[in-house]
Amino acid sequence: KAGVTQTPRYLIKTRGQQVTLSCSPISGHRSVSWYQQTPGQGLQFLFEYFSETQRNKGNFPGRFSGRQFSNSRSEMNVSTLELGDSALYLCASSWGTGGAYSPLHFGNGTRLTVT
Amino acid sequence: DAKTTQPNSMESNEEEPVHLPCNHSTISGTDYIHWYRQLPSQGPEYVIHGLTSNVNNRMASLAIAEDRKSSTLILHRATLRDAAVYYCILRDEGSQGNLIFGKGTKLSVKP
Repeated sequence: KAGVTQTPRYLIKTRGQQVTLSCSPISGHRSVSWYQQTPGQGLQFLFEYFSETQRNKGNFPGRFSGRQFSNSRSEMNVSTLELGDSALYLCASSWGTGGAYSPLHFGNGTRLTVT
Repeated sequence: DAKTTQPNSMESNEEEPVHLPCNHSTISGTDYIHWYRQLPSQGPEYVIHGLTSNVNNRMASLAIAEDRKSSTLILHRATLRDAAVYYCILRDEGSQGNLIFGKGTKLSVKP
């Protein structure tokens, strides 16, 4: 069974540009979550989608947005990039949204560098 | 949200058992205890979870204190591939996909 796939693996952008990251969940998984990981802040929750609806959102500015398609694939977009957006962006999928029965399965992330 | 406390780092020798502690004194009755680990250059990986009873799977064992205010992840025979950051996380039974990660414990395994 294929795992969570994130593309691209690495990305270099310039301040002010925008970027779109892609995530393909494990087949059959309907929930997709996004996380940002930086050395200073660690892993921080961005948002979660379930059946194309945003279910929860973390404490990030509106420049960070996402969406989920009918096949459960998800994209996240960051507009007007800032240097501080340089991070590893991780996507995770799960079958449902319950804490007891739905462990998250993470991809290996997209490393975004903003110059 | 209930928080967890873990040591910043631990060391172990290869092929010896490792006990990774986690304190969660404000845990609520519906919080499940989850453990994830993150190997270098990879995303976090689910290890194990439990509510009240001790749990075993192919990767590890989870020992939960009777009052549920602490738990211990047990790796029965550490290997070099177990060197990672281990995160102890509380998830409410009805929670969404938002895990609150702390700093975790960085485990080093010596040959």
